[in-house]
Amino acid sequence: DAGVTQSPTHLIKTRGQQVTLRCSPKSGHDTVSWYQQALGQGPQFIFQYYEEEERQRGNFPDRFSGHQFPNYSSELNVNALLLGDSALYLCASSLTGGVYGYTFGSGTRLTVV
Amino acid sequence: QQQVKQSPQSLIVQKGGISIINCAYENTAFDYFPWYQQFPGKGPALLIAIRPDVSEKKEGRFTISFNKSAKQFSLHIMDSQPGDSATYFCAASKKAGANSKLTFGKGITLSVRP
Repeated sequence: DAGVTQSPTHLIKTRGQQVTLRCSPKSGHDTVSWYQQALGQGPQFIFQYYEEEERQRGNFPDRFSGHQFPNYSSELNVNALLLGDSALYLCASSLTGGVYGYTFGSGTRLTVV
Repeated sequence: QQQVKQSPQSLIVQKGGISIINCAYENTAFDYFPWYQQFPGKGPALLIAIRPDVSEKKEGRFTISFNKSAKQFSLHIMDSQPGDSATYFCAASKKAGANSKLTFGKGITLSVRP
């Protein structure tokens, strides 16, 4: 039974560019939440997708956007990259928008140069 | 404003000892308190969690103690092993069943010396 799969594992982008990160949830899960984890910090909630809609959003600018597909997989898009966007981006899957049984992926390490 | 605060920032324990990590929260609407373990290059993994109607929960070597009046909860790792060396995060959520999110502490690095 596959857990949460994220791709790519590492990414290097230049300031001002755009990036798309991908997440496949754990089998049986229908909700995907995205978190940003800066070095030495705890994960910070970006947004959550359930039933293909953004249900909640954390304190992140509109440069951060997302999408959920009918198969429950999700994408995180970041436009106009800043150096401060360098972080580990984590995807967590769960059921019906809750946090019980949250399963995290191993993340995508984004470096903006 | 940091809603969930962890202490200490780092911890070194001898093999076989007890590791104790503390967490304080501010929002009394929180109703779900998990602890996560994270190894380098991996995502956080759920260790153990508690609801505020219970004062203590034990799973194997891991125990959560919860003090609702003090708005604090702690993780105790008994018989600590070198394999427990990792970063530990406390977190909290309200309405954990739906339309919810986790608010994490900054994490503490635990080193268990052989």
